[in-house]
Amino acid sequence: AQRVTQPEKLLSVFKGAPVELKCNYSYSGSPELFWYVQYSRQRLQLLLRHISRESIKGFTADLNKGETSFHLKKPFAQEEDSAMYYCALLYNFNKFYFGSGTKLNVKP
Amino acid sequence: NAGVTQTPKFRILKIGQSMTLQCTQDMNHNYMYWYRQDPGMGLKLIYYSVGAGITDKGEVPNGYNVSRSTTEDFPLRLELAAPSQTSVYFCASSSGELPDTQYFGPGTRLTVL
Repeated sequence: AQRVTQPEKLLSVFKGAPVELKCNYSYSGSPELFWYVQYSRQRLQLLLRHISRESIKGFTADLNKGETSFHLKKPFAQEEDSAMYYCALLYNFNKFYFGSGTKLNVKP
Repeated sequence: NAGVTQTPKFRILKIGQSMTLQCTQDMNHNYMYWYRQDPGMGLKLIYYSVGAGITDKGEVPNGYNVSRSTTEDFPLRLELAAPSQTSVYFCASSSGELPDTQYFGPGTRLTVL
């Protein structure tokens, strides 16, 4: 069965510090992984997807098949990065499995 | 483009009542989804649809029904509401073309007392 685990419910860092939000997955097929973000009073939206190998708002995420991980990283956190972050796995072509989310709090 | 819209925003139901959560998208997406999110938990897939007239169960379909008579609309029906259905409900849509992106509605907060 597919699973997505985000071990941290809350992550607090100071502005300018590096940040890493952890995501581990379990899936027997070839994984397609995503990070979604929900800012305060906004709807859930796509941040980035591994297949695009993109950097959005300074965030990157590398798929590590050996460790079955897709951690989200940013070298210098900003206060506007404070939000809920969800890791998601696309499986069976058209279904998504979401992790429980990590709340990132960037302190001034 | 309004994207994905959901009504109502909030609702309080009594045990045993029924209601329909509405979801509409204007992006001509084939795929539509209903999720529920309980406090401190991730989104769990209730039902999804890959096109008009086609629906299928997700992880947690019990107590819910859906229909998809048009591309735009994907209503979620709760029959005989129970306190366990207290949650925030999100509708989403996607084109179904890889790499895929889901577009979410603002959510409906439902309380069953």
